[in-house]
Amino acid sequence: GAVVSQHPSRVICKSGTSVKIECRSLDFQATTMFWYRQFPKQSLMLMATSNEGSKATYEQGVEKDKFLINHASLTLSTLTVTSAHPEDSSFYICSAIPRTGYIYEQYFGPGTRLTVT
Amino acid sequence: GEDVEQSLFLSVREGDSSVINCTYTDSSSTYLYWYKQEPGAGLQLLTYIFSNMDMKQDQRLTVLLNKKDKHLSLRIADTQTGDSAIYFCAESRGNYGGATNKLIFGTGTLLAVQP
Repeated sequence: GAVVSQHPSRVICKSGTSVKIECRSLDFQATTMFWYRQFPKQSLMLMATSNEGSKATYEQGVEKDKFLINHASLTLSTLTVTSAHPEDSSFYICSAIPRTGYIYEQYFGPGTRLTVT
Repeated sequence: GEDVEQSLFLSVREGDSSVINCTYTDSSSTYLYWYKQEPGAGLQLLTYIFSNMDMKQDQRLTVLLNKKDKHLSLRIADTQTGDSAIYFCAESRGNYGGATNKLIFGTGTLLAVQP
């Protein structure tokens, strides 16, 4: 089956530093990847849609200069949280749609727990 | 509004049926989904239903869709302790069937299965 991985699974960083999270589709090519953020005991909030070779589309209220998304290849998208603050601490989940797939074939990564101290 | 609503918590006994409910807002949603999230993990797609269907059954799972009331439910038959997790409904919005559709997730229901 289609597998999406994320790295790292957990990261702790100091306030003011930047951290990069990788999302990889392991056995399929993904033209579209999504980045979500999930606060404790809350739902997933879509942050941005990442399309290979083009700029990401950010949801309203998401700072694109703070959450940099790069979808450089058909199997890799990265989310960089710049100048992280404690309020950026959250669970970040990516998902990917196979190149020939429809939305119901969206596969999710296991998530990355970010803690900013 | 934009919200997809679910009840927060459901507790059932092992072997009983569980019914998780969801109300959504966008009548033009093309697909509706149920996802399962275990602690500290990503989401697993359980099942989905196309908006022109009323019901879909997949082994122990039954999805009912009432488009008029914008109500979606997931029934889990013979609930097991391994079914304990958070269940999210989601709707897709955007171009019909296209890969650019966005998923809007519900608030999630924590299902606790008592042995």
